[in-house]
Amino acid sequence: RKEVEQDPGPFNVPEGATVAFNCTYSNSASQSFFWYRQDCRKEPKLLMSVYSSGNEDGRFTAQLNRASQYISLLIRDSKLSDSATYLCVVASIVDTGRRALTFGSGTRLQVQP
Amino acid sequence: DAMVIQNPRYQVTQFGKPVTLSCSQTLNHNVMYWYQQKSSQAPKLLFHYYDKDFNNEADTPDNFQSRRPNTSFCFLDIRSPGLGDAAMYLCATSRDQGRINEKLFFGSGTQLSVL
Repeated sequence: RKEVEQDPGPFNVPEGATVAFNCTYSNSASQSFFWYRQDCRKEPKLLMSVYSSGNEDGRFTAQLNRASQYISLLIRDSKLSDSATYLCVVASIVDTGRRALTFGSGTRLQVQP
Repeated sequence: DAMVIQNPRYQVTQFGKPVTLSCSQTLNHNVMYWYQQKSSQAPKLLFHYYDKDFNNEADTPDNFQSRRPNTSFCFLDIRSPGLGDAAMYLCATSRDQGRINEKLFFGSGTQLSVL
């Protein structure tokens, strides 16, 4: 089982739709969670951190469910420019005292006119 | 202005011909990372430097080496590239590595093709 699992998609949605992605993680000791956005052949860019209480940034809402070990990303009112791959990233402190990041393979979103 | 700079953006090499990818940063960060990302896959950490301290991931092939001559620069050397090494190579930095919410700054990547 992968440490971080995401549905690869693609999710094809019309402009204006609401779309949600989930990401499950296997390490219950994971402490910090992030969503990154990656455009084709570009570097990943931090979209938002995910906090226990859930957090919102404009049209984007991130939620964390520690009991079920998953995080989610909700995008409202999808724009064509939201088309990208969304990577889930999970952070934990390993026994050396340093932070280790584990990336998911990403979920591809295609917003259509 | 770009803070983590990778050159070149695209690199073509021949099977077995050594190639070096470069990364520089203007952030004065302690930690520099090299990731390999193949199509539709997660970025895979190859190694990282904490200052001059080199940390190799257990499953990084010996074919991959790295050098960090100073704080600003880090190089990835592929001694004998194989077809399976064609990928996007991403350099990233962070100020430190002990804080759980430490931000990661990526360069724009080098897309390596092996002919």
